[in-house]
Amino acid sequence: DADVTQTPRNRITKTGKRIMLECSQTKGHDRMYWYRQDPGLGLRLIYYSFDVKDINKGEISDGYSVSRQAQAKFSLSLESAIPNQTALYFCATKGRQGGQETQYFGPGTRLLVL
Amino acid sequence: GENVEQHPSTLSVQEGDSAVIKCTYSDSASNYFPWYKQELGKRPQLIIDIRSNVGEKKDQRIAVTLNKTAKHFSLHITETQPEDSAVYFCAASIFWGGAGNTPLVFGKGTRLSVIA
Repeated sequence: DADVTQTPRNRITKTGKRIMLECSQTKGHDRMYWYRQDPGLGLRLIYYSFDVKDINKGEISDGYSVSRQAQAKFSLSLESAIPNQTALYFCATKGRQGGQETQYFGPGTRLLVL
Repeated sequence: GENVEQHPSTLSVQEGDSAVIKCTYSDSASNYFPWYKQELGKRPQLIIDIRSNVGEKKDQRIAVTLNKTAKHFSLHITETQPEDSAVYFCAASIFWGGAGNTPLVFGKGTRLSVIA
């Protein structure tokens, strides 16, 4: 779904480095989310935002921060990366289309922290 | 908060057989239950969803059933094909209509393998 994009798609970094993952959407949705996916643990919510002025912590927000720069942009930062933050990160948006509320995922960012 | 349990974690079926994946949820206020399919190396994509005002919904070979009393819902895939091989996630949230909804809480996923 090209309406939700993530950059970078792959990233290798070292312990202690600051890293930012970016998400952009052209769907015009107000709600945006960041999840991480680990094998056997499913999709766990890190942060979410219902609009530009609204930021909420999810299940596993420790070690992460976010910024909602505009309706279309939602960035996830790791201030000081650690190896157990190695994971696949997904951005998602949710909005009403055709009378249905549907959540759409971006393509994912694979992060490796050495 | 909401907790979603999903079983089994892995499932292998012969092509043409049926597959059933089950989920339970803890918050009786949850009223929206989507299922996502994630193919290898791809993003999760919505395949079907159900709201608590109905007990069953079908879309071709896929169906979802909901038992509100028992707080569980299931995904049924009939006449499985190799392209059904993927990881399937169930999720739950509270939908308030025009006022929005709570974030989706996902199960841990089921890896389905369809053997030709």
